[in-house]
Amino acid sequence: DVKVTQSSRYLVKRTGEKVFLECVQDMDHENMFWYRQDPGLGLRLIYFSYDVKMKEKGDIPEGYSVSREKKERFSLILESASTNQTSMYLCASSSPGAVNTEAFFGQGTRLTVV
Amino acid sequence: AQSVTQLGSHVSVSEGALVLLRCNYSSSVPPYLFWYVQYPNQGLQLLLKYTTGATLVKGINGFEAEFKKSETSFHLTKPSAHMSDAAEYFCAVSSGGSYIPTFGRGTSLIVHP
Repeated sequence: DVKVTQSSRYLVKRTGEKVFLECVQDMDHENMFWYRQDPGLGLRLIYFSYDVKMKEKGDIPEGYSVSREKKERFSLILESASTNQTSMYLCASSSPGAVNTEAFFGQGTRLTVV
Repeated sequence: AQSVTQLGSHVSVSEGALVLLRCNYSSSVPPYLFWYVQYPNQGLQLLLKYTTGATLVKGINGFEAEFKKSETSFHLTKPSAHMSDAAEYFCAVSSGGSYIPTFGRGTSLIVHP
């Protein structure tokens, strides 16, 4: 089974804290993604990476950064958490160019910033 | 550029009734199309996908979808709803070589006994 594992299911952080969300996949996928999910807004792409040390901004990168030092791991960083970053965060991975191009998702991290 | 529109943020059906969730897409190149399901406090799980070939695609749990290029649609159907089908459903499109999926806003399916 393909596995995308997010390090935490639930997190509570204080405003101004630096927050790390970790994601690991075991399928040797080149692409990895971070999405944010909010009610009525669906999934919005924060950042994606198509290779180690490569990253591209998505639709809503402000207030976030990412790190991909190894192929299997993609980290999302909130440099200074704010209450408007309270949300569900979903990590995904996929293999580009193959017939089976669907994204595989982790279980999600529900982050609350107080 | 690519985009997805899901008509109806909530759809309510009775158990045993037909399920129809609507999805229209926009893409300047031939798209790959997907439906995902999300149960409460879970990640997204693939229901079915269209890449090439047969336009009627069958997925898990009795769901199917038909790719209609002329209507730019990929509606999801199931002949008979079950209580366990209650969940959030997302349509997604990817195209253009980068295979970055763009998601719709989701449709919450409510199933009444």
